[in-house]
Amino acid sequence: AQSVTQLGSHVSVSEGALVLLRCNYSSSVPPYLFWYVQYPNQGLQLLLKYTSAATLVKGINGFEAEFKKSETSFHLTKPSAHMSDAAEYFCAVTKGSGYALNFGKGTSLLVTP
Amino acid sequence: NAGVTQTPKFQVLKTGQSMTLQCAQDMNHEYMSWYRQDPGMGLRLIHYSVGAGITDQGEVPNGYNVSRSTTEDFPLRLLSAAPSQTSVYFCASRIRLAGGNEQFFGPGTRLTVL
Repeated sequence: AQSVTQLGSHVSVSEGALVLLRCNYSSSVPPYLFWYVQYPNQGLQLLLKYTSAATLVKGINGFEAEFKKSETSFHLTKPSAHMSDAAEYFCAVTKGSGYALNFGKGTSLLVTP
Repeated sequence: NAGVTQTPKFQVLKTGQSMTLQCAQDMNHEYMSWYRQDPGMGLRLIHYSVGAGITDQGEVPNGYNVSRSTTEDFPLRLLSAAPSQTSVYFCASRIRLAGGNEQFFGPGTRLTVL
């Protein structure tokens, strides 16, 4: 069964610093992987997705993630954090036959001035 | 397109009351699903549907019922609300059955059961 683990429920970075949010997956077959962002009191918005076309995936708002099969990882990065990046971030993987998403528990990103 | 819409945005119930959370999408998506979000738990799948007339259980289905009579609508019913169902509920839809396609989420319904 596919699952994801997000390391660190809270991450704090300074404005302008590198953002690194960690996600490791467990899957018996090549997975589809996603990063979603949730701003306060809002729904989830897709940042980027991996569907085996390329291992380095670029998303919206300057975020990117690299699929590393050898490390079973799909970490999310952004070179320079903005205050507006403060939000909850979820890593997700397709589950079972691919109909549903299996989410990690989320990482709350705090950006300090 | 309005995308995925949910009503109400907020709801307070007493234990034992029933209610229906509404979800609609105008993108002609075959696949729709309901998740609940609890602090530190991420999102957990309650029920899903791969098309009109077809529904199935997810990870946490107990206490919830669904039906899918049209492509557009996928209501979630709480028959007898319990405090453990206090949560934020999200509806989502996707265009095809393939796992690589994006799911679109509604804005959520915040439910409190007293």
